[in-house]
Amino acid sequence: QSVLTQPPSASGAPGQRVTISCSGSSSNIGTKTVHWYQRLPGTAPKLLIYNDNQRPSGVPDRFSGSKSGTSASLAISGLQSDVEGDYYCAAWDASLNGLVFGGGTKLTVL
Amino acid sequence: QEQLVQSGAEVKKPGASVKVSCEASGYRFVNYDINWVRQATGQGLEWLGTMNPNTGNTRYAAKFQGRVTMSRDTSRSIAYLELSSLKSEDTAVYFCAKVGDGSSPLSYLYYLDLWGQGSLVSVSS
Repeated sequence: QSVLTQPPSASGAPGQRVTISCSGSSSNIGTKTVHWYQRLPGTAPKLLIYNDNQRPSGVPDRFSGSKSGTSASLAISGLQSDVEGDYYCAAWDASLNGLVFGGGTKLTVL
Repeated sequence: QEQLVQSGAEVKKPGASVKVSCEASGYRFVNYDINWVRQATGQGLEWLGTMNPNTGNTRYAAKFQGRVTMSRDTSRSIAYLELSSLKSEDTAVYFCAKVGDGSSPLSYLYYLDLWGQGSLVSVSS
């Protein structure tokens, strides 16, 4: 089991908005910032969101992140087939003294 | 342009060791910690540990303590991951990744902004 909890799958029609949740605890999300990674088939993970809601340069604004308490969310609007892949949340865990990931959410565009 | 380039695929027998390399370019290697993350087929991302390339200090995930060694060659800007006593469950793609600006385990911020392309390690008898 992963320290951070994500739904195993999410889906939406083209053009729609989808959100992916990530639940943790006071030792990780509750006190540390959350980041999100996208892994498209056959590629390395790519940073999508850092510091809860910041986008690295080059990441389009249809990706957005938010956090409240010990939970975080990634929202993707204007769904297109090019975003189909796996999405992972992560945060440093102060109790485990290491980086922890969610189990990943497979996004399908219907 | 910042880049991390990893070594190629490896096939090992159970009980053996493997050493994967990660060559950095386009930024000052010693200024940013290098992390190692793996992904087995059908599984999620799993963190193995982190290394400060300037000091050589390391921090390993508890699961891998005693089996993992992270090292570096600062003259060549290369980081290494060595995993020993390999088991079939270690079959995975191994990624190196650089931390982003301001990242520190002691602060609120710790993220990985640049990843290598991955190195497949297969363990089979």
